[in-house]
Amino acid sequence: AQKITQTQPGMFVQEKEAVTLDCTYDTSDPSYGLFWYKQPSSGEMIFLIYQGSYDQQNATEGRYSLNFQKARKSANLVISASQLGDSAMYFCAMREDLNDYKLSFGAGTTVTVRA
Amino acid sequence: SAVISQKPSRDICQRGTSLTIQCQVDSQVTMMFWYRQQPGQSLTLIATANQGSEATYESGFVIDKFPISRPNLTFSTLTVSNMSPEDSSIYLCSVEGASRSYNEQFFGPGTRLTVL
Repeated sequence: AQKITQTQPGMFVQEKEAVTLDCTYDTSDPSYGLFWYKQPSSGEMIFLIYQGSYDQQNATEGRYSLNFQKARKSANLVISASQLGDSAMYFCAMREDLNDYKLSFGAGTTVTVRA
Repeated sequence: SAVISQKPSRDICQRGTSLTIQCQVDSQVTMMFWYRQQPGQSLTLIATANQGSEATYESGFVIDKFPISRPNLTFSTLTVSNMSPEDSSIYLCSVEGASRSYNEQFFGPGTRLTVL
């Protein structure tokens, strides 16, 4: 079974607008972590934001925020005030065992920011 | 954050040959991970490499095809053996954050491999 589901293959967003990238996950482990990464065309994986299953507040990092709805098992990434440099592939990932560090990745969402 | 370098950054290889990819980290880390990203696909974990022990491979990956070395706490190599065009992928190494922070995990810049 797919552990991480990203249902949006591609999205377009106007510069300076906000965009929400969907991510749902499946786990029976009470302790887990959720990550978002950005992969530009160069291929590097850039860590954006982390949300722990026991974190009471939604994570935020600059223009990135995570809308964590634990009961619905969703961890959507919100990018505010989009910039042209935000155009990239975005991956949601989960670590089920916090001591293991193995990540399961979703299929990714391509974001294209239009001027 | 950990600074991770990989060599080579890209390579074009002939079918049947082998390529060794190096991963260097600027700090000591317990676990290093190797991932594969086939064209247009997501990342798949190949194996976990701990210093002083044999690498642990995920389902679908075997040591004969992807031998891994982990001679110390800052370095690892992944060899892609007897390559075929299906091995054309980006190969990335990954490490946990400083002090094994569970909320950090970083990737190297990747090695883009094309097999002809």
